[in-house]
Amino acid sequence: QKEVEQNSGPLSVPEGAIASLNCTYSDRGSQSFFWYRQYSGKSPELIMFIYSNGDKEDGRFTAQLNKASQYVSLLIRDSQPSDSATYLCAVTWGGSQGNLIFGKGTKLSVKP
Amino acid sequence: ETGVTQTPRHLVMGMTNKKSLKCEQHLGHNAMYWYKQSAKKPLELMFVYNFKEQTENNSVPSRFSPECPNSSHLFLHLHTLQPEDSALYLCASSQDGQGAYYGYTFGSGTRLTVV
Repeated sequence: QKEVEQNSGPLSVPEGAIASLNCTYSDRGSQSFFWYRQYSGKSPELIMFIYSNGDKEDGRFTAQLNKASQYVSLLIRDSQPSDSATYLCAVTWGGSQGNLIFGKGTKLSVKP
Repeated sequence: ETGVTQTPRHLVMGMTNKKSLKCEQHLGHNAMYWYKQSAKKPLELMFVYNFKEQTENNSVPSRFSPECPNSSHLFLHLHTLQPEDSALYLCASSQDGQGAYYGYTFGSGTRLTVV
């Protein structure tokens, strides 16, 4: 059973705080992990990808991967109201050449 | 035009109608995908094409018929749809074999309503 689990939220944080988004997956063979941002009524937009255990930082975003625990997270530092969106976790299914399977997404609301 | 373009943006059709969704990518990619996004459900992978060849049909009902005439264009032909088929249909593209490394680029989607 292909499963990518995310807390649907909504997750509400004040402006300037750190938002923490979590994702678990069931396929131990998954090799690549992605975070997409989707604004209401818009299409998903890739914001981060990570392949190796540990942290990967890009500006205010940090992706964290723990393959042993089958867990990937996204931290957003200094959250802004413009970060309010649904964040989709996606993992490859069926090895390194697999297709992307998505979670339901976590809705983030950043309050001014 | 750049990126992945989908037309139409919105479509309302009756259950007996036949319509088609179009997707065009200008990224030089050679893998294209159809996804369905319904409320409160994850994106569902429908079809995958690599170099114009269908490599995956994710148990999609036959009332959805994909067509990929070349690596830049992808169609989804619709007929005899049901109201539960109302959803956002997203097209995506990637370099073959590299989508799993660099992710997919999505089009803006077609919002389909079946009445």
